Amino acid sequence: EDKVVQSPLSLVVHEGDTVTLNCSYEVTNFRSLLWYKQEKKAPTFLFMLTSSGIEKKSGRLSSILDKKELFSILNITATQTGDSAVYLCAVRDDKIIFGKGTRLHILP
Amino acid sequence: DTGVSQDPRHKITKRGQNVTFRCDPISEHNRLYWYRQTLGQGPEFLTYFQNEAQLEKSRLLSDRFSAERPKGSFSTLEIQRTEQGDSAMYLCASSLGQGAQSGNTIYFGEGSWLTVV
Repeated sequence: EDKVVQSPLSLVVHEGDTVTLNCSYEVTNFRSLLWYKQEKKAPTFLFMLTSSGIEKKSGRLSSILDKKELFSILNITATQTGDSAVYLCAVRDDKIIFGKGTRLHILP
Repeated sequence: DTGVSQDPRHKITKRGQNVTFRCDPISEHNRLYWYRQTLGQGPEFLTYFQNEAQLEKSRLLSDRFSAERPKGSFSTLEIQRTEQGDSAMYLCASSLGQGAQSGNTIYFGEGSWLTVV
């Protein structure tokens, strides 16, 4: 059965810390891996990764994919309270399967 | 607004009643997805369409749930004889792409919150 597993499920850090969120997957027909940020509404898109080893970067956020080991990480440096959210990893084959998310809380 | 829109945004219904949600995808998007999300969980796949064809339906979806996309544009998700366990946010998303195309992001609507009392 296709699945996406994220860890940790929750994380509390202080503002300014760096965090790494993990996502591992097992899918039949991998096409891409997606990261989303979700606050109290629908998920908003962060990154799409299709190739191994190529880092995607947007400001303090970056992500990389390892298709051999079937995982991805999302890094957030110099965290701010506005980064508090649930971060969702999803993998696309024909449909899109989500993990349960990592709930990140940044303490001021 | 050219994003994915969902209606209604909130619905409170009595157990046993039927409810219907509507989703209007981004106009040129041929794929449309329905997900359900409960508190503390990631979105759970329900079903998806490519144009008007329903390509897959989750085995978790009971017979009380049905979705249509009759003209390949908007879609409806109907829940018959609602139960309290159906209380959740129902998310619609759309994307452009088919077959081996992998380079297309999906875009979510704001969700329809259902409360069954």
